[in-house]
Amino acid sequence: GAGVSQSPSNKVTEKGKDVELRCDPISGHTALYWYRQSLGQGLEFLIYFQGNSAPDKSGLPSDRFSAERTGGSVSTLTIQRTQQEDSAVYLCASSLEAGAVYEQYFGPGTRLTVT
Amino acid sequence: AQSVTQPDIHITVSEGASLELRCNYSYGATPYLFWYVQSPGQGLQLLLKYFSGDTLVQGIKGFEAEFKRSQSSFNLRKPSVHWSDAAEYFCAVGASGTYKYIFGTGTRLKVLA
Repeated sequence: GAGVSQSPSNKVTEKGKDVELRCDPISGHTALYWYRQSLGQGLEFLIYFQGNSAPDKSGLPSDRFSAERTGGSVSTLTIQRTQQEDSAVYLCASSLEAGAVYEQYFGPGTRLTVT
Repeated sequence: AQSVTQPDIHITVSEGASLELRCNYSYGATPYLFWYVQSPGQGLQLLLKYFSGDTLVQGIKGFEAEFKRSQSSFNLRKPSVHWSDAAEYFCAVGASGTYKYIFGTGTRLKVLA
């Protein structure tokens, strides 16, 4: 079956512009996660969804970052007024349910470059 | 604080040689432990996981890992490395009752022909 897909695969934007990153999870997966991967860093947890609700937004680095999930499926991560430090690979993962016992399946990521 | 340490940023081995990638964790609860691999331009793929039971875990692509509670370690091993194993490897920890994985900073493996 189809895995987790993300779009775009690459995004170059100018400082100060807004960007939207999209994630399509595996069908039937109720939990969805966003991570950020910066050069030399591990994966930094940003936010997770259980269904359409986001019980934990604690990882969002600033109020310029927001995310939503509609219909229990597709999720969009929005970064407003992008800064150069936002440049990173943004990874999305989904799992059957929320919980560490459930394997997280990762998408290929969106590489964001802010110039 | 919960943390995962991968002490080796880069490792280079010759094809056919054995491999061991180190992972140490600090976690208050009984951990769930994972190893993921990331090939260039790809997402992360799960190699193996440990929840409980036998401390030696077999995974895909000929990898195995051993959980050592006394050393807070979960090292990844492969007896004979193939050129296609060149990638970045991430160790992660979670726990029962939580949803979040904590990832290490990764080890980049280079394989010499």
